[in-house]
Amino acid sequence: GAGVSQSPSNKVTEKGKDVELRCDPISGHTALYWYRQRLGQGLEFLIYFQGNSAPDKSGLPSDRFSAERTGESVSTLTIQRTQQEDSAVYLCASSTGGTDTQYFGPGTRLTVL
Amino acid sequence: GQQLNQSPQSMFIQEGEDVSMNCTSSSIFNTWLWYKQDPGEGPVLLIALYKAGELTSNGRLTAQFGITRKDSFLNISASIPSDVGIYFCAGPRIQGAQKLVFGQGTRLTINP
Repeated sequence: GAGVSQSPSNKVTEKGKDVELRCDPISGHTALYWYRQRLGQGLEFLIYFQGNSAPDKSGLPSDRFSAERTGESVSTLTIQRTQQEDSAVYLCASSTGGTDTQYFGPGTRLTVL
Repeated sequence: GQQLNQSPQSMFIQEGEDVSMNCTSSSIFNTWLWYKQDPGEGPVLLIALYKAGELTSNGRLTAQFGITRKDSFLNISASIPSDVGIYFCAGPRIQGAQKLVFGQGTRLTINP
């Protein structure tokens, strides 16, 4: 499809396990963002990739969170030693860069038991 | 840091009614964005505002960029069932940046 895709759509894990969430941005979009949305809340910025520049990690809540992006394609958000408070929907967005129009994927719903 | 406060948090209306919601900030924003999120989906951009005082429409939706740059309003006229969802305001965390800060959302429920 032409939109942002994310996988898996749902992930249930046990406390203490590591998880990897994947984002496929819109082809040609140089900017990619990760956000976290807790139940009933707005979106919280996590990390931002723009082309080959160093990512802006200012929103990552702890060192258990990390993300990588290969060139201008796929990105992976990794959460190590998951905690129950990590339960949320993790949303990825991409944009052409230099504009404010971010196109969001459907999100990955993470549940930590 | 910058925070956006939306009100009301939820609305229950009858189909055909008009809707008004707003978003305020303690800091100045130079861009205001309004998104709608359907269940199980990511937010979709409805309207973008770039200039203080600007009034922009998208079909039955109208949004305004407050003159103080610290608020914005979204109105929906003649609501229909597909308007149900959560409406978020958002803006760049830092002037000229693309990282967005979001309000908590206004949940709209429509009784047919």
